[in-house]
Amino acid sequence: ETGVTQSPTHLIKTRGQQVTLRCSSQSGHNTVSWYQQALGQGPQFIFQYYREEENGRGNFPPRFSGLQFPNYSSELNVNALELDDSALYLCASSLAPQGSYEQYFGPGTRLTVT
Amino acid sequence: DQQVKQNSPSLSVQEGRISILNCDYTNSMFDYFLWYKKYPAEGPTFLISISSIKDKNEDGRFTVFLNKSAKHLSLHIVPSQPGDSAVYFCAASEDGGKLIFGQGTELSVKP
Repeated sequence: ETGVTQSPTHLIKTRGQQVTLRCSSQSGHNTVSWYQQALGQGPQFIFQYYREEENGRGNFPPRFSGLQFPNYSSELNVNALELDDSALYLCASSLAPQGSYEQYFGPGTRLTVT
Repeated sequence: DQQVKQNSPSLSVQEGRISILNCDYTNSMFDYFLWYKKYPAEGPTFLISISSIKDKNEDGRFTVFLNKSAKHLSLHIVPSQPGDSAVYFCAASEDGGKLIFGQGTELSVKP
């Protein structure tokens, strides 16, 4: 059974640039959620994708967007990067948006915005 | 508004003793609660969960207790081992959607 993988591991971007982070879900899982974890804080929900559609969104501006592909992998795109976007971005997969509450996390992508 | 709170940023315990990590929540609509463990430079690892219809769930050395009237849950680790040293997050879910996390408690188990 393959776990959740994320790429890249680390990324350094300049303010105003755009970034794309990628996630492959655990085999058999059809739902992907994205979280942002700032230093010293718990992960904060960005959005969730199920059947290639957004299925819930947290308190993040529209410049945070995502995609889910037919193979259930996913991308997180952030436009017009700000210094406060520097954080660990975590992807989590689960079997269904409802009925299976456990979400399994990847190792994360550390984004630094300078 | 912090719906899930872990009021102890850190906890130090002797190896072999019990570790008790606490978590409080405010939203009575939460119906599922989870504990995750996180090592530096890794993603959170799922540990144990509990449905709101139960008050206790046990898995090996880990037991989670839920007190709905107090809106409080706790994770007990017995016996504690040095490898348990990590940051522990509690999380809550409503209808299986997003997880809402606490701020985390850093557990240090000393030999």
